[in-house]
Amino acid sequence: DSGVTQTPKHLITATGQRVTLRCSPRSGDLSVYWYQQSLDQGLQFLIQYYNGEERAKGNILERFSAQQFPDLHSELNLSSLELGDSALYFCASSPAGSSNQPQHFGDGTRLSIL
Amino acid sequence: ILNVEQSPQSLHVQEGDSTNFTCSFPSSNFYALHWYRWETAKSPEALFVMTLNGDEKKKGRISATLNTKEGYSYLYIKGSQPEDSATYLCAFAQKLVFGQGTRLTINP
Repeated sequence: DSGVTQTPKHLITATGQRVTLRCSPRSGDLSVYWYQQSLDQGLQFLIQYYNGEERAKGNILERFSAQQFPDLHSELNLSSLELGDSALYFCASSPAGSSNQPQHFGDGTRLSIL
Repeated sequence: ILNVEQSPQSLHVQEGDSTNFTCSFPSSNFYALHWYRWETAKSPEALFVMTLNGDEKKKGRISATLNTKEGYSYLYIKGSQPEDSATYLCAFAQKLVFGQGTRLTINP
C-alpha cells in the first residue's frame, strides 16, 4: 500500500461529458503528480502541484485542468471527453517539490469513454 | 522532443540467472533518473533515484548504475526469481519523461 488514494477506481462515461478524478497523497507529501497511460503508450506526465500551486506542466490538454486544495488532495478535471481520453490515470505524490525524490503511485482510475 | 529509450522492450530469463537492461536519456541538463518496478495489475513502485554520475544503488538483488556523461543507466537483477517478473520503467526527472519500459518475465 503506497498510501496514495485515488477515487473512483473505474469510471464509464460518454463523449462530451465531464468527469473529476480525485487523489489523496501520502501523509506528509506536499507534491501531487498526474499521469495518463493510454493503450500502447507509456506513462505521460500531465501536471504537478506542490503545496497548492502548479509546479510543472507536461502534455496536458487544454480540456483538462487540475487543482490542489488546502488539505493537499488534488482533483483532475477532464471535460468535453473524447474516445481517445480512455486511459488509466495515475496520481503520485512525493514529499517536496523537486523531481529528484521517489514518487509513490496510487492504484489509478480507469476511465472508459463510450 | 526529449527521448528516453529502454532496451530491450521485453526479456525472458530463466530463474536463477542474472540479467540487466538499459535506459538511455539525454546527457545534457541532467538532474535525476528514476527507476520503477511495475507489476501487472498494480501501480509503479519506486526502486531508485539516481542523481550523480557514477552513482551505484542497490536494493537486495537489484542494483543500478548511472553514467550521465554518456546518457545511460543500467539496472541489474542478480539470481532472478519469479517475483521479479514485472515491467521496469526509467524516468528522466527533468521533464518527468518515462521510457516505454522493459517487460521482464522469469521462467521457473
